[in-house]
Amino acid sequence: AQRVTQPEKLLSVFKGAPVELKCNYSYSGSPELFWYVQYSRQRLQLLLRHISRESIKGFTADLNKGETSFHLKKPFAQEEDSAMYYCALFTNAGKSTFGDGTTLTVKP
Amino acid sequence: DGGITQSPKYLFRKEGQNVTLSCEQNLNHDAMYWYRQDPGQGLRLIYYSQIVNDFQKGDIAEGYSVSREKKESFPLTVTSAQKNPTAFYLCASSRGTGFYEQYFGPGTRLTVT
Repeated sequence: AQRVTQPEKLLSVFKGAPVELKCNYSYSGSPELFWYVQYSRQRLQLLLRHISRESIKGFTADLNKGETSFHLKKPFAQEEDSAMYYCALFTNAGKSTFGDGTTLTVKP
Repeated sequence: DGGITQSPKYLFRKEGQNVTLSCEQNLNHDAMYWYRQDPGQGLRLIYYSQIVNDFQKGDIAEGYSVSREKKESFPLTVTSAQKNPTAFYLCASSRGTGFYEQYFGPGTRLTVT
């Protein structure tokens, strides 16, 4: 069975501080990992995916297969980063699993 | 935000009635998904379909049914057998499975009393 764990339900940082949202997964195959974000009154949308190895809005995430983690990081948080963040694991068989989400609040 | 639509935005039903939620996409995507979102529990997969006329159960399929007769449509029926149907339901679609991005609809909030 596949599982995604986001240990922090709530995370609060001050503007300009670094932020890290944790994500751990369990899956016996080769995982496809994603971070999705939901801003207030907007649809759930893709933030980044591990296969692209890209930086979006200053966020990065590195897949660590040894630690089975895919933590999301940003060196300097902005107030507009306040949102709900979901880590997700998709498989080629079609089944997808999302974590419970972390609500990030960036205080001025 | 176009491309994948869900209707209606809010739906109210009496206990014991079946209700069907609509999901349509014009993105020419092969795969479609239904999720249930409850407070503090993230998204849980109900059903998914990788191609027309085929679908598989997700993690919480009991009390739900789907059909995929057309590529662009994936309706979800919440049956009277679903013990706790009140929830926010999200539909998504993707070009394929695995590393393909899923695009989400705006959701339908179902309240059963």
